[in-house]
Amino acid sequence: GQNIDQPTEMTATEGAIVQINCTYQTSGFNGLFWYQQHAGEAPTFLSYNVLDGLEEKGRFSSFLSRSKGYSYLLLKELQMKDSASYLCVISNSGYALNFGKGTSLLVTP
Amino acid sequence: EPEVTQTPSHQVTQMGQEVILRCVPISNHLYFYWYRQILGQKVEFLVSFYNNEISEKSEIFDDQFSVERPDGSNFTLKIRSTKLEDSAMYFCASRDNYEQYFGPGTRLTVT
Repeated sequence: GQNIDQPTEMTATEGAIVQINCTYQTSGFNGLFWYQQHAGEAPTFLSYNVLDGLEEKGRFSSFLSRSKGYSYLLLKELQMKDSASYLCVISNSGYALNFGKGTSLLVTP
Repeated sequence: EPEVTQTPSHQVTQMGQEVILRCVPISNHLYFYWYRQILGQKVEFLVSFYNNEISEKSEIFDDQFSVERPDGSNFTLKIRSTKLEDSAMYFCASRDNYEQYFGPGTRLTVT
């Protein structure tokens, strides 16, 4: 089975940096994704980590430690449009995605 | 940019009725998925499909559910006899490499 834990809610200020943590336990692992989801919309891909380390993509970075079952998503230079739910997602051996409950991020002026 | 499309955007049906949700995956993708999201809850995997057969399914995907690729472009999810608890947003996704691209979803309301 799988268990994915991430904070339910976070608040940050426009222009700031925020780190969203995720811990997981899984029996099969084929990578960890971060997706963004605005209310009423589909999830959209942000990042993919399959090896340990940091992946950087513009304002977004994602880190993975497989031995610790830990990942984080780092968002820099926050903008109001970054207010959304951020989903930590584990891909199992068959590439089916198992989603966490998501972290609702509110960016304030 | 290629995208996954889904129809209809919203479907209202009565309990016990059959519904078919339609998806057109990105044309060169070979792997297809259905997920659902009950309002206020997390996204849940239903089924994956490759080479014209189911490759993996979850506990949710019971005998009431079926999937089909009737032609070279469509990918459908059928619910034979809908229940109130089937009310949810249903997302189709397709992939070629590691990234899954999601369609905009069909909101199914069972009354």
